[in-house]
Amino acid sequence: SYELTQPLSVSVALGQTARVTCGGNNIGSKSVHWYQQKPGQAPVLVIYRDSKRPSGIPERFSGSNSGNTATLTISRAQAGDEADYYCQVWDSSTVVFGGGTKLTVL
Amino acid sequence: QVQLQESGPGLVKPSQTLSLTCTVSGGSISSGLYYWSWIRQPAGKGLEWIGRVHTSGSSDYNPSLNSRVTISVDTSKNQFSLKLSSVTTADTAVYYCASGIAAAGFDNWGQGTLVTVSS
Repeated sequence: SYELTQPLSVSVALGQTARVTCGGNNIGSKSVHWYQQKPGQAPVLVIYRDSKRPSGIPERFSGSNSGNTATLTISRAQAGDEADYYCQVWDSSTVVFGGGTKLTVL
Repeated sequence: QVQLQESGPGLVKPSQTLSLTCTVSGGSISSGLYYWSWIRQPAGKGLEWIGRVHTSGSSDYNPSLNSRVTISVDTSKNQFSLKLSSVTTADTAVYYCASGIAAAGFDNWGQGTLVTVSS
C-alpha cells in the first residue's frame, strides 16, 4: 500500500516561511491535498491538486509537488497558523493520509 | 455552501456494530460530482480514511477495514451512513463525514462526533 511520510514537527519564527514536506514514492505523479487542523476542530482544506487554494484560504499558503516530495509552504507565518497539517493523496481509489506535522510558530 | 452533520450513538459496546449518519444540508447529495466519505481520528493520532460512496451506488473502502465496513446513501433523506461491525476499543475515535470531488480534496467536513467503544 502507498505510504506518505511527514515530519512530526516543524517550527518557524513569527513572520518567517514554514515548509512542511510530504514524501512518497513518485508522489509527483499524484495530486496532493493539504489540510490544516486546529485542536478540537475538523480539518480544513488549504491546498488541493498540489497548488490550488480554495476560496478563503490566504495567498500565504502555497504548494508544490515534484519527484518524491510535495511541499506545503506558509509564508509570513502567523500565530494563527499553528496547527497540525496533513497531506493526502488518492491511490487506486483509496485515500491515503500522511501522519501529520505539528507546526509551531515561535 | 454544503454543510455536513454527523449523528449517532456516542457509546458502543465491544463486538457490536457502530452506526452513524451524516445529514447533508445546503445542497443535494445526488450531485453527481461529489463522493461522500467517512474519516476517523483516534485521540491524539492522525486521520484515517474509512471509505466513500457515490450516489451511483459505487463505494470504496480502506482495505484494512473493508471486511467490517458498509457505507450507504439515502438520497430521499439527503443522508449517507456508516456501519462498522465487530468493533473493539481500537475503533474509539472522532468520526467525521466529509465530501469532495473525485481526485480532489475533501472540501466539506462535518464537525465530528466522538464514538467510544466500551463495555
